[in-house]
Amino acid sequence: EAAVTQSPRSKVAVTGGKVTLSCHQTNNHDYMYWYRQDTGHGLRLIHYSYVADSTEKGDIPDGYKASRPSQENFSLILELASLSQTAVYFCASSPTVYAEQFFGPGTRLTVL
Amino acid sequence: AQKVTQTQTSISVMEKTTVTMDCVYETRDSSYFLFWYKQTASGEIVFLIRQDSYKKENATEGHYSLNFQKPKSSIGLIITATQIEDSAVYFCAMRANTGANTGKLTFGHGTILRVHP
Repeated sequence: EAAVTQSPRSKVAVTGGKVTLSCHQTNNHDYMYWYRQDTGHGLRLIHYSYVADSTEKGDIPDGYKASRPSQENFSLILELASLSQTAVYFCASSPTVYAEQFFGPGTRLTVL
Repeated sequence: AQKVTQTQTSISVMEKTTVTMDCVYETRDSSYFLFWYKQTASGEIVFLIRQDSYKKENATEGHYSLNFQKPKSSIGLIITATQIEDSAVYFCAMRANTGANTGKLTFGHGTILRVHP
């Protein structure tokens, strides 16, 4: 069974602070993704990666960086957190670019 | 640009009935992939079913099936014999076949399904 885990599950950060969200998958999938979900909306892609040590920008990359140090791990970094980045963040993985994606449980981030 | 629209904000049905959720999409690609996901009350997002645009047969998976109408750019999700635990938010998503190294999904805003006993 697909297994994508995220840490932390929730976090409160201060404006201007640095935040790192982590994602770990045991699926042996090449593709990993970071999405954000705002209340009452679908998910929007922030960054994705198809191989270790390489990341690509998604639809809303501004204010976010990503890091893929290994096939299993994919991090999302907010260097200077802002109020507008309060949201739920989901990580996902897929075996190929054509396959369905498997999602982690999400991280609720509140920036004060 | 790709776009996915779910016009139904919420639907309420009685248990054991059949429900259809609508989804229309926009894309310039001739080949694309359509997905339905379910988000439970706990926030978990679960893949349900997919339809590849080149396939004429509607996909089925357990008590989920799709009504794929390509000329209308429509992909409806049908849930038969609904159960209380089907209550959730349902998202339609599309992946076009452009960009060799992206699996980018474009999501709709979701439809809330409430199943009543």
